[in-house]
Amino acid sequence: GENVEQHPSTLSVQEGDSAVIKCTYSDSASNYFPWYKQELGKRPQLIIDIRSNVGEKKDQRIAVTLNKTAKHFSLHITETQPEDSAVYFCAASKPGANNLFFGTGTRLTVIP
Amino acid sequence: KAGVTQTPRYLIKTRGQQVTLSCSPISGHRSVSWYQQTPGQGLQFLFEYFSETQRNKGNFPGRFSGRQFSNSRSEMNVSTLELGDSALYLCASSLVGELTDTQYFGPGTRLTVL
Repeated sequence: GENVEQHPSTLSVQEGDSAVIKCTYSDSASNYFPWYKQELGKRPQLIIDIRSNVGEKKDQRIAVTLNKTAKHFSLHITETQPEDSAVYFCAASKPGANNLFFGTGTRLTVIP
Repeated sequence: KAGVTQTPRYLIKTRGQQVTLSCSPISGHRSVSWYQQTPGQGLQFLFEYFSETQRNKGNFPGRFSGRQFSNSRSEMNVSTLELGDSALYLCASSLVGELTDTQYFGPGTRLTVL
């Protein structure tokens, strides 16, 4: 099956700095890579996703890059704000399969 | 549109009992997936239902089962509860198209097994 590794497990940044979270996957058949943000006691919320026919996608302060050859993808958050503090999960899925394989999560803390 | 809803939100059971959790997907969504979230194992896929049929299954014992109704609402059942079944159970709904669909999560059911 698919194995998704995520690093770092914790990340602290100063407000206004950038944050980068990296994930690798094992199954070259995976073609869909979403990122979820989960605040304490709340549901995971999709913040951005990318499919394997695209190398980069951006939405305001958030961007995701995908390197299919190396089988890794990254989340970039610029101009971080305290409300960005949460646990972020990457995930991977194969075509037509609505089962996500999740990374272990990154706890991001933005220090005001 | 209303989001994914799950009931109950909290549940306390004792070992050996069984439990049923419910998930109502976003209107128009036909696929429902279930996940278990624990501090130790993270988010793990249980199973997915589409058109009242289990389409994918994760690596969980047979004590974990589910079903889907014609209105796309889904239930999952855990029989003979064990302490290790304590977790947040999340369901996610998605449209079903040719591409892997975006999944939207419900608030989860927090199950505590004593």
